[in-house]
Amino acid sequence: GQNIDQPTEMTATEGAIVQINCTYQTSGFNGLFWYQQHAGEAPTFLSYNVLDGLEEKGRFSSFLSRSKGYSYLLLKELQMKDSASYLCAVVDNYGQNFVFGPGTRLSVLP
Amino acid sequence: DTEVTQTPKHLVMGMTNKKSLKCEQHMGHRAMYWYKQKAKKPPELMFVYSYEKLSINESVPSRFSPECPNSSLLNLHLHALQPEDSALYLCASSQYPPTDPSYEQYFGPGTRLTVT
Repeated sequence: GQNIDQPTEMTATEGAIVQINCTYQTSGFNGLFWYQQHAGEAPTFLSYNVLDGLEEKGRFSSFLSRSKGYSYLLLKELQMKDSASYLCAVVDNYGQNFVFGPGTRLSVLP
Repeated sequence: DTEVTQTPKHLVMGMTNKKSLKCEQHMGHRAMYWYKQKAKKPPELMFVYSYEKLSINESVPSRFSPECPNSSLLNLHLHALQPEDSALYLCASSQYPPTDPSYEQYFGPGTRLTVT
């Protein structure tokens, strides 16, 4: 089975740094994705980790520890437009079954 | 072209109606997906097609019937739906088999379905 957990809600201030955690227990693993979803819109891809370590992309970084079943998304220099839901998703060994975590609703305050 | 298109954007249907949702991509992706998403919840996987063959059906009721007529198109046929089926229906596509550096899913804008 698949079990993915994220905090439900987080609040941060414009210009700050926020870390969103994701823990997972899955029967197979072929990578972990982070998506951003604004209300009423489709999810958009942010990052992908399949090996342990940190992947950096501009203001966004994502970290993975496969042995601990743990990932985080780090957002720097927060902007108001970063207010959205952040979803982590684990994909199985066959690269087809994407299972999404419950999502974290981030509110960025001025 | 990295776009997945879906039609219609909005759909209101009665419980006795038959309607279809359509999805199209021209990225050469050989995996296509249907998801259902309720408000403030994550997307729930419904069906996966790989190479135009149904590879995953997540125990979806038979009132939802998927179809993949070719490698660019994916349909979802709807019949005798219930009010609780009202949701955002998202289509996505990705490379298959998965290849590095990443094979993320590209999502369409979704169809917001209301069943009355």
